Amino acid sequence: EAGVTQFPSHSVIEKGQTVTLRCDPISGHDNLYWYRRVMGKEIKFLLHFVKESKQDESGMPNNRFLAERTGGTYSTLKVQPAELEDSGVYFCASSRRDSDRSQYFGPGTRLTVL
Amino acid sequence: GDSVTQMEGPVTLSEEAFLTINCTYTATGYPSLFWYVQYPGEGLQLLLKATKADDKGSNKGFEATYRKETTSFHLEKGSVQVSDSAVYFCALSDSGYSTLTFGKGTMLLVSP
Repeated sequence: EAGVTQFPSHSVIEKGQTVTLRCDPISGHDNLYWYRRVMGKEIKFLLHFVKESKQDESGMPNNRFLAERTGGTYSTLKVQPAELEDSGVYFCASSRRDSDRSQYFGPGTRLTVL
Repeated sequence: GDSVTQMEGPVTLSEEAFLTINCTYTATGYPSLFWYVQYPGEGLQLLLKATKADDKGSNKGFEATYRKETTSFHLEKGSVQVSDSAVYFCALSDSGYSTLTFGKGTMLLVSP
């Protein structure tokens, strides 16, 4: 079974540009999560999809961040326009909908905003 | 709100030494507890979990016991290897919610 995949693995952009991160969850996992780790800080929750619906987006820092999960499969996270403080590692995770909700993480996308 | 506190790192050990990484938590409900590991250059991997008080999670020689009375979930391993060098994250998922709250992570460095 393939794991969670994320693309790109690294992205370096300038302040004011737009970046789109992609996450492909494990096949059959209805739950999809985005997290972010800023240098030296905890990994923080951003938002949670159940299939194509946003279940919880309380962790999204501001309206420069837009997440979508059309069709309930892969998800994208767009940052527009990017700011310096958006730099960090963005993780995606997925889980099943049954009683075992263990979350399985992708390798992350390291975003650097210059 | 929920929070997880881990011991500061890095933790530096010699091969075959005993490992303990402390983790305590604050939660309003009855959370599930997790340890994740991130090896160099890789993503987070679920190492072990426990879903209720007194449960012991174990995997790859690592163990952690859910202690409700002390709100702790300390990670232990009897004999570490160089290949265990990684960053270890303690996390919780509160009852009724599925999002994870993480600690800051503890780097473990094991030398031959």
